[in-house]
Amino acid sequence: DAGVTQSPTHLIKTRGQQVTLRCSPKSGHDTVSWYQQALGQGPQFIFQYYEEEERQRGNFPDRFSGHQFPNYSSELNVNALLLGDSALYLCASSLEVGRGYTFGSGTRLTVV
Amino acid sequence: GESVGLHLPTLSVQEGDNSIINCAYSNSASDYFIWYKQESGKGPQFIIDIRSNMDKRQGQRVTVLLNKTVKHLSLQIAATQPGDSAVYFCAEGGNAGGTSYGKLTFGQGTILTVHP
Repeated sequence: DAGVTQSPTHLIKTRGQQVTLRCSPKSGHDTVSWYQQALGQGPQFIFQYYEEEERQRGNFPDRFSGHQFPNYSSELNVNALLLGDSALYLCASSLEVGRGYTFGSGTRLTVV
Repeated sequence: GESVGLHLPTLSVQEGDNSIINCAYSNSASDYFIWYKQESGKGPQFIIDIRSNMDKRQGQRVTVLLNKTVKHLSLQIAATQPGDSAVYFCAEGGNAGGTSYGKLTFGQGTILTVHP
């Protein structure tokens, strides 16, 4: 049973560019959340998707957007990249909102 | 591997010792708490969770204690092994029906190093 799968594992982008990160949830899970983890810090909640809609959003600018597809997979898009967007981006899935989150290994984004 | 936790609290123990990692949380309305283990280059791995109607829960070699009066969580690891070396995070899961429900708020993390 595959866990949460994220792609790509590493990515290098230039300031001002746009990036799309992808997540496939654990089999049977229908809720997907995205987190940003800067070096030396705990993960910070970006947003959560359920039934293809954004249900909760953390304190992140509109440059961060997402999407959930009918098969429950999700994308995180970041526009106009800043150096400060360099971080590990984590996807977590769960069977129900608020409980039992399983995390992927993340995508390491470096903005230069 | 990545150098995580340059500014995180650290705990160093000998193999076989018991470890206690502490965490303070901020939202008194939170009714769900989780401990995660994160190894270098990996995502957080679920260890154990507890709901606010309990003050103690045990798993395999791990125990979580919840003190709602002082908003404090602890994770106890029995007979700590070198493979337990990692960064440990506590997280609040909000409360059902509340505005924070569905998002995890993580603490700062503690680096645990187990010496053979």
